[in-house]
Amino acid sequence: AQSVTQLGSHVSVSEGALVLLRCNYSSSVPPYLFWYVQYPNQGLQLLLKYTSAATLVKGINGFEAEFKKSETSFHLTKPSAHMSDAAEYFCAVAAGGTSYGKLTFGQGTILTVHP
Amino acid sequence: ETGVTQSPTHLIKTRGQQVTLRCSSQSGHNTVSWYQQALGQGPQFIFQYYREEENGRGNFPPRFSGLQFPNYSSELNVNALELDDSALYLCASSNAMTSGGGQFFGPGTRLTVL
Repeated sequence: AQSVTQLGSHVSVSEGALVLLRCNYSSSVPPYLFWYVQYPNQGLQLLLKYTSAATLVKGINGFEAEFKKSETSFHLTKPSAHMSDAAEYFCAVAAGGTSYGKLTFGQGTILTVHP
Repeated sequence: ETGVTQSPTHLIKTRGQQVTLRCSSQSGHNTVSWYQQALGQGPQFIFQYYREEENGRGNFPPRFSGLQFPNYSSELNVNALELDDSALYLCASSNAMTSGGGQFFGPGTRLTVL
């Protein structure tokens, strides 16, 4: 069975500061991992995905994440926060070692960006 | 390329009623998954359809059922609605034949049960 833990339900940063959102996973098979962003009253938008090709994954809007097997982590970072980054972020792991399998999500992290 | 679409966007029902939600998958995708997102929580997997057959189910009762059509669009049906069914229902499509493609979500249907 898979599980995802997102450390910190709320993260607050200043505009221009580093963004770091933490995600730890548990999976019995090599995982496919994802980060999604959700703006208020909207669906989920795929930010980036890890599919075993490279441990450092670059996504949209300047976000990137690093897969660390030894730490079972997949933390999301962005060097410089922008006001438009304020949203809720979800980390997810796919079941069965496939990218289309059932997704198990973390509880989400709400990112607030202060001017 | 057309993304995932869902209808309706909002729906209000009363307890005990039945509801049908619809999803059109992204062009080229053959797999549809449904998720329930309660307020303040992460999405929970309901079930997945591939080639018109259920291909995995989460911890939801049988009154949650679905269909997938030959054009890969899908329906989610919920019978005997309960107050706790109030949530955002998300549909995601993917391609089971493409390694590493991922799942792409629609905008969701907000269901309110009174």
